[in-house]
Amino acid sequence: GENVEQHPSTLSVQEGDSAVIKCTYSDSASNYFPWYKQELGKRPQLIIDIRSNVGEKKDQRIAVTLNKTAKHFSLHITETQPEDSAVYFCAARTPPNSGGYQKVTFGTGTKLQVIP
Amino acid sequence: GAVVSQHPSRVICKSGTSVKIECRSLDFQATTMFWYRQFPKQSLMLMATSNEGSKATYEQGVEKDKFLINHASLTLSTLTVTSAHPEDSSFYICSARAREGLYSEQYFGPGTRLTVT
Repeated sequence: GENVEQHPSTLSVQEGDSAVIKCTYSDSASNYFPWYKQELGKRPQLIIDIRSNVGEKKDQRIAVTLNKTAKHFSLHITETQPEDSAVYFCAARTPPNSGGYQKVTFGTGTKLQVIP
Repeated sequence: GAVVSQHPSRVICKSGTSVKIECRSLDFQATTMFWYRQFPKQSLMLMATSNEGSKATYEQGVEKDKFLINHASLTLSTLTVTSAHPEDSSFYICSARAREGLYSEQYFGPGTRLTVT
């Protein structure tokens, strides 16, 4: 099955600096890669996603890049703010299997701390 | 975006009792619902996937007789933890998807904190 690795596990940056989180996946059939932000005790919130037919996507201060050949994708946050502090999860989703299900596998998470 | 609710948000139960957690899609019909379990400072682990009206597909290592999932309608799925034990204490999160396909998004509920004493 799919295996998603995420690095680093913790990341501290000064306010205003950039933060980069990297993920690799194992199943070349995976075609959808969402990123979630989760604050303590709350639900994961989708912040950006990228599909396999796109190499890069940007939404204000957040961008995601995908390298299908190398099977890795990254989250970039620029001009970080204290409210960006949270745990971030990457995920990879495979196409429907014989049972019709698309399976999402999550990375292990990165705790981002933005220091004011 | 779409809204998924979960009830209860917190529950404390005694060892040996059963607990039911409800997951509802409030403004869309969820053809597929997922149940995840999350331990402190860890990632979300998929427990099972269910389509409305059919049996759930459980992930390897998840006891289907212990974690009963019912997806009775397009807006409601329930997870029942039977004969709960302290090791079942965890954060349980459901998510729902409106349709299969490349462009379908998955929406998460707020989670249920289960504590078994």
